[in-house]
Amino acid sequence: KNEVEQSPQNLTAQEGEFITINCSYSVGISALHWLQQHPGGGIVSLFMLSSGKKKHGRLIATINIQEKHSSLHITASHPRDSAVYICAVRVLIKAAGNKLTFGGGTRVLVKP
Amino acid sequence: SQTIHQWPATLVQPVGSPLSLECTVEGTSNPNLYWYRQAAGRGLQLLFYSVGIGQISSEVPQNLSASRPQDRQFILSSKKLLLSDSGFYLCAWSRLWDIQYFGAGTRLSVL
Repeated sequence: KNEVEQSPQNLTAQEGEFITINCSYSVGISALHWLQQHPGGGIVSLFMLSSGKKKHGRLIATINIQEKHSSLHITASHPRDSAVYICAVRVLIKAAGNKLTFGGGTRVLVKP
Repeated sequence: SQTIHQWPATLVQPVGSPLSLECTVEGTSNPNLYWYRQAAGRGLQLLFYSVGIGQISSEVPQNLSASRPQDRQFILSSKKLLLSDSGFYLCAWSRLWDIQYFGAGTRLSVL
């Protein structure tokens, strides 16, 4: 079993719909990252969070440390949100430094 | 502001040839630096990370090596490429344990 599991693997939505992507992890972490990978391959860091909730524009990320679960929400989705969204965790082991362990990604397609 | 440069964007190399990918960061000092690989249809995998000049940690045994000759320069190398080295290579930087910022990536095809 992977240390970081994302669901769903693929998601198709109509423009304007609310989208939720889930990430579950099985190890102790010091932080969780949400990344966005565009079709060309470039990666953008969206959020880094260790507790609670963060919001940036139409994106909202939440984390529940006790349940080892995080969600990424996209409100009023738009075709330009089409991308692969990747969850990554920084494992809570001092020797691990700032290494990230990645989920397999969720491919999101928003249709106009 | 900080920027990260990675080149080339695309590279096609024959099996057995050498490789050198370069990554540089501007606008910050003493960053943590990372090399990741994404094989076709697979997730990201950390290859190397560095917390300072000359300090390299390898995460997976492989045909590749990394070097950090200057504070903001990180180089990924191979003496002889294998077919299995094909993939999308990403460089990233962070301040200590902070968020990581990624370069645009290099798509390497080994033929």
